[in-house]
Amino acid sequence: NAGVTQTPKFQVLKTGQSMTLQCAQDMNHNSMYWYRQDPGMGLRLIYYSASEGTTDKGEVPNGYNVSRLNKREFSLRLESAAPSQTSVYFCASSIRDRGPNTGELFFGEGSRLTVL
Amino acid sequence: GENVEQHPSTLSVQEGDSAVIKCTYSDSASNYFPWYKQELGKRPQLIIDIRSNVGEKKDQRIAVTLNKTAKHFSLHITETQPEDSAVYFCAASNRGGSYIPTFGRGTSLIVHP
Repeated sequence: NAGVTQTPKFQVLKTGQSMTLQCAQDMNHNSMYWYRQDPGMGLRLIYYSASEGTTDKGEVPNGYNVSRLNKREFSLRLESAAPSQTSVYFCASSIRDRGPNTGELFFGEGSRLTVL
Repeated sequence: GENVEQHPSTLSVQEGDSAVIKCTYSDSASNYFPWYKQELGKRPQLIIDIRSNVGEKKDQRIAVTLNKTAKHFSLHITETQPEDSAVYFCAASNRGGSYIPTFGRGTSLIVHP
């Protein structure tokens, strides 16, 4: 039971390059999220997927796209990377039902992206 | 949308002292308030949470209090230890609605031995 797995852990890009961050969870969670973490800014939501087949914008979606490939996988794509997208990216998942564990987020280990 | 303010941004204490981190929220519909701990270079992990039908919850050395009228909640850590050094995030969400948590900006707690 690996929980939430993100790849890659580290990536260096040049301005204008594209890349996709992959995320998979094996906890049968229905909701998945992408956050970025910058010093002093906390965790800001980029996109989320409340359930398989749906995606919605979060607080900072500009410059990103997402795909909920199936219930397990949720990818984040940078089409044309910019230095402002240098950050640590976290994928997370959660159960979304009326049960007692609804609401807790389980995070991946993070992906550190540097855009030169 | 929800707005969560967290204070202080940095907190430095001596081992054995207590530490208190405070958060306020804006959306009266929020009813779930988790706290996450993030050690250096690691992922955030849930340490305690509280739902709006209770005012206080304790788990060993940590406790969380909630004042729904004033829209604020706090994390209390007693008898701090060096391993408590980390960044702590509060969050607020509506479990009957979108379930999307909004995070505070984090508090860096440093416990000096």
